[in-house]
Amino acid sequence: DAGVTQSPTHLIKTRGQQVTLRCSPKSGHDTVSWYQQALGQGPQFIFQYYEEEERQRGNFPDRFSGHQFPNYSSELNVNALLLGDSALYLCASSPFVALQTQYFGPGTRLLVL
Amino acid sequence: AQSVSQHNHHVILSEAASLELGCNYSYGGTVNLFWYVQYPGQHLQLLLKYFSGDPLVKGIKGFEAEFIKSKFSFNLRKPSVQWSDTAEYFCAVRNTDKLIFGTGTRLQVFP
Repeated sequence: DAGVTQSPTHLIKTRGQQVTLRCSPKSGHDTVSWYQQALGQGPQFIFQYYEEEERQRGNFPDRFSGHQFPNYSSELNVNALLLGDSALYLCASSPFVALQTQYFGPGTRLLVL
Repeated sequence: AQSVSQHNHHVILSEAASLELGCNYSYGGTVNLFWYVQYPGQHLQLLLKYFSGDPLVKGIKGFEAEFIKSKFSFNLRKPSVQWSDTAEYFCAVRNTDKLIFGTGTRLQVFP
């Protein structure tokens, strides 16, 4: 049973570019949450998707957007990249009926130069 | 807004020493509390969780945590650490359907 998978593992971009990160949830999970973990910090909630809709959003600008597909996989898009967007981006999945327990993927490490 | 505080940023112990990592949360209502661990190069893994009932929660790898409502605390403990416990530890609280994390505690265990 595969856990949460994310791609790519690492990414280097320059300021102003756009990036797309991908996540496949754990089998049987239909809800995906995205978190940003800056160096030396705990993960911060970006947003959550269920039934292809954004259910909740954290304190992140509109440059951060997402999508969920019918197979429950999800994408995180970041436009107009800033140096401060450099971080580990984590995807977490859970069943909607048990949102309290989230399973995390290995993350995508994004470096913005 | 709900928040989580982890006051120990970096802890260094020798093997067999006892461990206690502090965690305080700000919310006064019903809480769901978690401890996650991030081993070097690995993803976040759930160590233990508290939803209700017995305030002493036992998790994987010999870890336990005690929920003390009057102190808004959920400290993580292990009686005897091993070198393999070297990792970053995060306390988290559930807020609606998202998790709010503390800044983490880096634990280094030396043989």
